[in-house]
Amino acid sequence: DQQVKQNSPSLSVQEGRISILNCDYTNSMFDYFLWYKKYPAEGPTFLISISSIKDKNEDGRFTVFLNKSAKHLSLHIVPSQPGDSAVYFCAASARLNYGGSQGNLIFGKGTKLSVKP
Amino acid sequence: DSGVTQTPKHLITATGQRVTLRCSPRSGDLSVYWYQQSLDQGLQFLIQYYNGEERAKGNILERFSAQQFPDLHSELNLSSLELGDSALYFCASSISRTGSAYGYTFGSGTRLTVV
Repeated sequence: DQQVKQNSPSLSVQEGRISILNCDYTNSMFDYFLWYKKYPAEGPTFLISISSIKDKNEDGRFTVFLNKSAKHLSLHIVPSQPGDSAVYFCAASARLNYGGSQGNLIFGKGTKLSVKP
Repeated sequence: DSGVTQTPKHLITATGQRVTLRCSPRSGDLSVYWYQQSLDQGLQFLIQYYNGEERAKGNILERFSAQQFPDLHSELNLSSLELGDSALYFCASSISRTGSAYGYTFGSGTRLTVV
């Protein structure tokens, strides 16, 4: 049972345009959501996060939007650059104990973003 | 360099064998997490240790075990290896007991190939 879903395995975008990566979750107990970026042969690196009390968080070219009623979040990258080409993982956590996760990060399967020059 | 060190980077072994993966957390971090990434799969949480004690278990097989030592480094032991155990194994660390807005810091992973 996947609690965090990234339904698009891949996304291709032209340099300078907007990249939108989507993520859905099923567990209403999640109260923090994070995006990680992963280059080949490297570990995932933290990109941006959002608390469930907010609906938007912005950091430079990266903005994360949260729609709690739809249990959906998205990561917008504007403008997209070739160096943004990587796999992006959506992750969620619940501060309160929930089943076996106990506050640990639950990851989606990732979306591979390719930004073409 | 994230500050989380994983060794070895690559490991090739035969079915039925036993291997040990090692992780040194970032300085000051008390929690160590182990994740498995198989082909076309996301990061599957295996187990967490906080300050030497097991804190949470995820989808970890009985053939797998882990521990965290007094110096806070951790080892993941994989035994009776099967072809399906071939994967990237990531270690991550954090200062707190739980995931939060600050997330975890990941190492660069150990690629295990079982032949």
